[in-house]
Amino acid sequence: KAGVTQTPRYLIKTRGQQVTLSCSPISGHRSVSWYQQTPGQGLQFLFEYFSETQRNKGNFPGRFSGRQFSNSRSEMNVSTLELGDSALYLCASSRNLAGGPPWDNEQFFGPGTRLTVL
Amino acid sequence: AQSVAQPEDQVNVAEGNPLTVKCTYSVSGNPYLFWYVQYPNRGLQFLLKYITGDNLVKGSYGFEAEFNKSQTSFHLKKPSALVSDSALYFCAVFETGANNLFFGTGTRLTVIP
Repeated sequence: KAGVTQTPRYLIKTRGQQVTLSCSPISGHRSVSWYQQTPGQGLQFLFEYFSETQRNKGNFPGRFSGRQFSNSRSEMNVSTLELGDSALYLCASSRNLAGGPPWDNEQFFGPGTRLTVL
Repeated sequence: AQSVAQPEDQVNVAEGNPLTVKCTYSVSGNPYLFWYVQYPNRGLQFLLKYITGDNLVKGSYGFEAEFNKSQTSFHLKKPSALVSDSALYFCAVFETGANNLFFGTGTRLTVIP
């Protein structure tokens, strides 16, 4: 069974640009969550999607957005990039058949996309 | 407000000895508690979770954690450490109704051969 895949793996952007990251979950997994990891702020939860609906959201500004498609693939978008957005962005998927909180089921993480903002 | 604390940035333990990685939490409701591990070049992995039920939770790779409600702790333990356990460990808490997940700052475990 293929794992969670994230594209691209590495990305360099400049301040003010926008970026879209993609996450393909494990087949059959309906919940996709996004996380940001930085040396200064550590690991932080961004948002979680289930059946194309955002169910949970962390404390990030509106510049961070996401969506989920009918095949459960998810994208996250960051507009008007700032230097502080440089981070490893992780995606995780879980089966979540019952539709409860995503963390009722084991999450499987992708390798991440490392975004550098210059 | 929800929070989770990992009081030790670094834990060193000799191979074969028991290990403990500490975590305390603060939530106003019932917590969901988690441990994750991040190995070098292998990404983040789920280790175990506590939702309800037995206070002692068993997880992957021989790890276990004990939920202690009175001390608001969820320490990660393993009876006999392996060099391959060397990694960065994160504790996390989710408060039902808050719809947000909070991570600790991480503890780097080094198992010395």
